[in-house]
Amino acid sequence: GENVEQHPSTLSVQEGDSAVIKCTYSDSASNYFPWYKQELGKGPQLIIDIRSNVGEKKDQRIAVTLNKTAKHFSLHITETQPEDSAVYFCAASKGGGADGLTFGKGTHLIIQP
Amino acid sequence: DAGVTQSPTHLIKTRGQHVTLRCSPISGHKSVSWYQQVLGQGPQFIFQYYEKEERGRGNFPDRFSARQFPNYSSELNVNALLLGDSALYLCASSLERIDYGYTFGSGTRLTVV
Repeated sequence: GENVEQHPSTLSVQEGDSAVIKCTYSDSASNYFPWYKQELGKGPQLIIDIRSNVGEKKDQRIAVTLNKTAKHFSLHITETQPEDSAVYFCAASKGGGADGLTFGKGTHLIIQP
Repeated sequence: DAGVTQSPTHLIKTRGQHVTLRCSPISGHKSVSWYQQVLGQGPQFIFQYYEKEERGRGNFPDRFSARQFPNYSSELNVNALLLGDSALYLCASSLERIDYGYTFGSGTRLTVV
């Protein structure tokens, strides 16, 4: 089955700086790659996603890049703010629903004031 | 608009007991999926139901079962509880039988003692 590796496990950045979280996946049939943000006591919230026919997608301060050849994708957050502090998860899926989303182990992003 | 609602929010059970968790999807969403999130890990796929039929199953024992009702709400049942079943159980809904655009609920925190 699919395996998703996520790095780093903890990332501390100064407010206003950029943060980058990286993930690799193992199944070349995966074609959908969402990113979720989870705050304490809440469920994961979808923040951005990308499909395999696209190399990059941007939404305001958040961007995701995908390299299908290398089987890795990354989340970029620019101009970080205190409210960006949370645990971020990447995931991969073949999109059909039968296998669900396979998640990485998460990155705890800490924004230092 | 109401999001995905789960009940109860917390519960404590004894080893060997049975538990039922409930989920109401976003209005209009026909697919419900269940995930288990152990502390410090990413969510792990348990089931997907679409139009009241099981469409996908993760690597969980037969002690785990689920069903979806005509109004698209869902129940997750776990029999013969083990200490290792202690986790946050997340329900997610989506419009169709695909993994795109999942919306997660806040989860049910199950503690087995």
